[in-house]
Amino acid sequence: DAKTTQPPSMDCAEGRAANLPCNHSTISGNEYVYWYRQIHSQGPQYIIHGLKNNETNEMASLIITEDRKSSTLILPHATLRDTAVYYCIVSAYSGAGSYQLTFGKGTKLSVIP
Amino acid sequence: DAGVIQSPRHEVTEMGQEVTLRCKPISGHDYLFWYRQTMMRGLELLIYFNNNVPIDDSGMPEDRFSAKMPNASFSTLKIQPSEPRDSAVYFCASTGNTIYFGEGSWLTVV
Repeated sequence: DAKTTQPPSMDCAEGRAANLPCNHSTISGNEYVYWYRQIHSQGPQYIIHGLKNNETNEMASLIITEDRKSSTLILPHATLRDTAVYYCIVSAYSGAGSYQLTFGKGTKLSVIP
Repeated sequence: DAGVIQSPRHEVTEMGQEVTLRCKPISGHDYLFWYRQTMMRGLELLIYFNNNVPIDDSGMPEDRFSAKMPNASFSTLKIQPSEPRDSAVYFCASTGNTIYFGEGSWLTVV
């Protein structure tokens, strides 16, 4: 079973920031928070991941609460192309440096013109 | 880099036929994953390999499914015999520091 809880859907106005929440209250100390998105008919696309510090890259920012029980993915200026299902996943690295990802149902983000 | 390459992109086959899905991972990635996606069950991990060796196949639904990785640049997922309930999108993924997915193989069994 997925270890995360996300709202099933959200709307965001084009050009505004999209803030996607995720609860992961049972996260373990060695587990990372990953975000992927899936645009219709395409494979899941990596967005960002973090352990306990906030992270930012060219696509998004990830804000993780101090207790690590929840996080928020921020798309600073949403565009129509950001309409997708967003998955929040927690997973630990294996000793070999890889990991499994267990996908939940995600949040369907609709960016509205 | 061309990314993870899957073939065929679309396949329609009759029940009872053998189906072979193919995957070329990103060069240098030593882990390869096969996922299946349906509306009912979402994305499910079927099997994954490390350095061409199957590590965990607990997600493979039944004996009709088999996967091989004869070398670092090629993997197959085979369904024999296929059934209508196998209709799904099958994704292959490989990992360096993050997992990269292919575009999927859309399988319809009629």
